[in-house]
Amino acid sequence: AQKITQTQPGMFVQEKEAVTLDCTYDTSDQSYGLFWYKQPSSGEMIFLIYQGSYDEQNATEGRYSLNFQKARKSANLVISASQLGDSAMYFCAMRKNNQGGKLIFGQGTELSVKP
Amino acid sequence: NAGVMQNPRHLVRRRGQEARLRCSPVKGHSHVYWYRQLPEEGLKFMVYLQKENIIDESGMPKERFSAEFPKEGPSILRIQQVVRGDSAAYFCASSPSSLNTGELFFGEGSRLTVL
Repeated sequence: AQKITQTQPGMFVQEKEAVTLDCTYDTSDQSYGLFWYKQPSSGEMIFLIYQGSYDEQNATEGRYSLNFQKARKSANLVISASQLGDSAMYFCAMRKNNQGGKLIFGQGTELSVKP
Repeated sequence: NAGVMQNPRHLVRRRGQEARLRCSPVKGHSHVYWYRQLPEEGLKFMVYLQKENIIDESGMPKERFSAEFPKEGPSILRIQQVVRGDSAAYFCASSPSSLNTGELFFGEGSRLTVL
């Protein structure tokens, strides 16, 4: 069975510093996708970044990058130059091959950015 | 946001009433996914639909919950005889196919409160 684990219930970071949010996954599939979403206090789910299991390079989107270590089954999110607006819940998710939008989510990490 | 529209954004029902949540997918997308987020938790997959077909309902409670995606119009998640435990945020996502399509965008969610 597939599983996503986010071991950090809460994290603090100083404004302008970088922060890494951990995510490990468990799957026996060779083809899968990994996602990160941000959920601010307003409640919407904001897509941040996607990594396919066969992508050789780590995905990057602006200040977000995904540190993909396939052998370790980890897909950590790195946020560079943190901003106050980055304070939110962050969810890691995984999709099995050919399952379109069927994702398995982790429990989330609450990030607080300090001024 | 790639254009998944959900309504209502907020819905209040008394125990025993019915709740209907609507999801209009991104134009051209024929696959819809419903998720539920209980307080303090990550999203949990409920059901995957194509036009006029239920593909995967492995996450749907056995009773009181149903979903449809008719040939014309939005997808509907229907909860009959609501109970307090149904209070949650319900999110919808859509995709053009079941294949790995990279990014997956969610609607803004419908927040159901059962009094």
